[in-house]
Amino acid sequence: GAGVSQSPSNKVTEKGKDVELRCDPISGHTALYWYRQSLGQGLEFLIYFQGNSAPDKSGLPSDRFSAERTGGSVSTLTIQRTQQEDSAVYLCASSLAGQANYGYTFGSGTRLTVV
Amino acid sequence: DAKTTQPPSMDCAEGRAANLPCNHSTISGNEYVYWYRQIHSQGPQYIIHGLKNNETNEMASLIITEDRKSSTLILPHATLRDTAVYYCIVRVLYNQGGKLIFGQGTELSVKP
Repeated sequence: GAGVSQSPSNKVTEKGKDVELRCDPISGHTALYWYRQSLGQGLEFLIYFQGNSAPDKSGLPSDRFSAERTGGSVSTLTIQRTQQEDSAVYLCASSLAGQANYGYTFGSGTRLTVV
Repeated sequence: DAKTTQPPSMDCAEGRAANLPCNHSTISGNEYVYWYRQIHSQGPQYIIHGLKNNETNEMASLIITEDRKSSTLILPHATLRDTAVYYCIVRVLYNQGGKLIFGQGTELSVKP
């Protein structure tokens, strides 16, 4: 597609429920990243996928968070047993790996509100 | 990746040049300087990057000091739409592994 697409754009969920957030990267981009941004805060790295390599999960805040990337394209971020502190905008980005001079393209994010 | 230091906020008059500084005194020889910006309620947007030479594109210019310990992003004629948080990031060639680490950035307010 023309850009990075994320869905849903907004999600309100009850505390304790599981949620799935979806990211469709730019076609052909082999690298995919998830970040989150709490209100008034900077971007916090969560997880990074690069081709068939094992993902870099070093930013996931707890074992309630997981992500997968199927077929090297679409990615799903899953948050189990959501807590109020999980409320944030979750941003996905993709980039074309293998070229040194290329920036990330971000989606518009999913705003998650846990009530 | 090296850390960066940016002022938390700056003001600029509309139509004037906005000069946003960034210190990266621990930058390594293979680390690039990247600039992104985030307009309210949107995802971050790539602006420009460079290694050691000054760079210019349709959005901005990037001036990197000779010792590479600091840089300045220049928006030559700031408009109200340039109001955003600007992030300066240094990191190795991205195909050597991994993620951009965002700091707190500089909140630029362009005023009429």
